[in-house]
Amino acid sequence: DAKTTQPNSMESNEEEPVHLPCNHSTISGTDYIHWYRQLPSQGPEYVIHGLTSNVNNRMASLAIAEDRKSSTLILHRATLRDAAVYYCILRDAQPQKTSYDKVIFGPGTSLSVIP
Amino acid sequence: NAGVTQTPKFQVLKTGQSMTLQCAQDMNHEYMSWYRQDPGMGLRLIHYSVGAGITDQGEVPNGYNVSRSTTEDFPLRLLSAAPSQTSVYFCASSSSLRQGPYNEQFFGPGTRLTVL
Repeated sequence: DAKTTQPNSMESNEEEPVHLPCNHSTISGTDYIHWYRQLPSQGPEYVIHGLTSNVNNRMASLAIAEDRKSSTLILHRATLRDAAVYYCILRDAQPQKTSYDKVIFGPGTSLSVIP
Repeated sequence: NAGVTQTPKFQVLKTGQSMTLQCAQDMNHEYMSWYRQDPGMGLRLIHYSVGAGITDQGEVPNGYNVSRSTTEDFPLRLLSAAPSQTSVYFCASSSSLRQGPYNEQFFGPGTRLTVL
C-alpha cells in the first residue's frame, strides 16, 4: 500500500493561512488523495479529496504537485476551531467491488492555533 | 439522519470481562468498520464489513469479534478484556457506490474503554 508522510506537528497564528504538507512518493495512478481531520475528543471527519487538479471547498483547498508525489492542505484563515490532527490518506479509486479499500490512518499532523 | 452512533461513550472493565460495543448507522451504507486509537497514534483497523453477513479482519483483530446481521448494525465484541485493549474505539461507515472516487467515511463519536 502506498504510504504518506506528514510532519508530526505544526503551529499557526489565528487568522493566518496554514499549509499542511504531505508526501506520497509511491502513489499509484488510481490513488486519490484524501484529507481528514480529528478535532479533540471526536471522530475523524472528511475535509477534502483530489486526484490531479487543485480542489477547493468550504473547509479548505488542496494543492497537488504536478508529479502527484506530494500535496498540501491549505486552510486560508486558521481559527481556534481548526486546531486538530490532520490526516493525509491515499485511497484507491478502483478497488474491487467485493473488497474493502482499507483506510490507513498514519499519525497525522497535530495543528496548534495560537490566538 | 443521526449518522453513525456508538454506545456506550465510556466503559470501564476488569480484566477478563466481556462486553459488546454497539455501532449503528442510518445512511444505508454497505461498508462499516471498527478502529482503535491509542494515545499519540493514528487509527488502526480492527475489523470491517462490506455488507450484511460479510466481515473480515483488519490490522489488529486479535481479541475482538464482529458480526453483521443487518445493514444498520455492526457490534464489536471483546471476548476477554485485557489492559492492552484500553483505547478509544471508533466505528465508521461508507457507501459502496463507486461512481467516481468519492467515498467519504463517516465516523461515530467514539467509545472510551478502560480495562483495569
